[in-house]
Amino acid sequence: SQQGEEDPQALSIQEGENATMNCSYKTSINNLQWYRQNSGRGLVHLILIRSNEREKHSGRLRVTLDTSKKSSSLLITASRAADTASYFCATETGGSYIPTFGRGTSLIVHP
Amino acid sequence: EAEVAQSPRYKITEKSQAVAFWCDPISGHATLYWYRQILGQGPELLVQFQDESVVDDSQLPKDRFSAERLKGVDSTLKIQPAELGDSAMYLCASSSRGQGLSETQYFGPGTRLLVL
Repeated sequence: SQQGEEDPQALSIQEGENATMNCSYKTSINNLQWYRQNSGRGLVHLILIRSNEREKHSGRLRVTLDTSKKSSSLLITASRAADTASYFCATETGGSYIPTFGRGTSLIVHP
Repeated sequence: EAEVAQSPRYKITEKSQAVAFWCDPISGHATLYWYRQILGQGPELLVQFQDESVVDDSQLPKDRFSAERLKGVDSTLKIQPAELGDSAMYLCASSSRGQGLSETQYFGPGTRLLVL
């Protein structure tokens, strides 16, 4: 079973626009991570946010975490065609340290 | 920059044959993961190693899948016999998680398996 579920499943925008994708989860987490996957390739780590944090930034990426709503959002500002990829959230819960991935959001940025 | 290596990158096999995938994690990473990713879905953990020991293999179909990490470095995932439903991307990742360090996983390029 998948702990995190991303929304929307697919997102299509123009270059320069902002892209927002969300991740909802069911049980309390230790941390939540966002990964990017280019077509047919491995995943690349983007950002980690811990359960006691509310917001983190990395370059054009902004991640928020709302533990009361059990949700997180990833914002990509000023998107580029190179941002075209699938984006996954992964959560770790309890003491298992076993990451669980969602189904991902497929982002297409049109030049 | 250190990377996780996987081979082969692509594998086509017939149903009932045996296949094996190899992974070499980033040097010094004690934690190694094997994932299966079906097209259009997120990665699903098959097995997690801490050094040479299995931490979790609850999602590994043990009747046909096996994984080992004999010296606590590189790892092999085997499927015997392969079934049509095993067609997927097999991803290996490593981290220093078990050493009380970063939770970040570093993924290899994956092996895409097609079973005919």
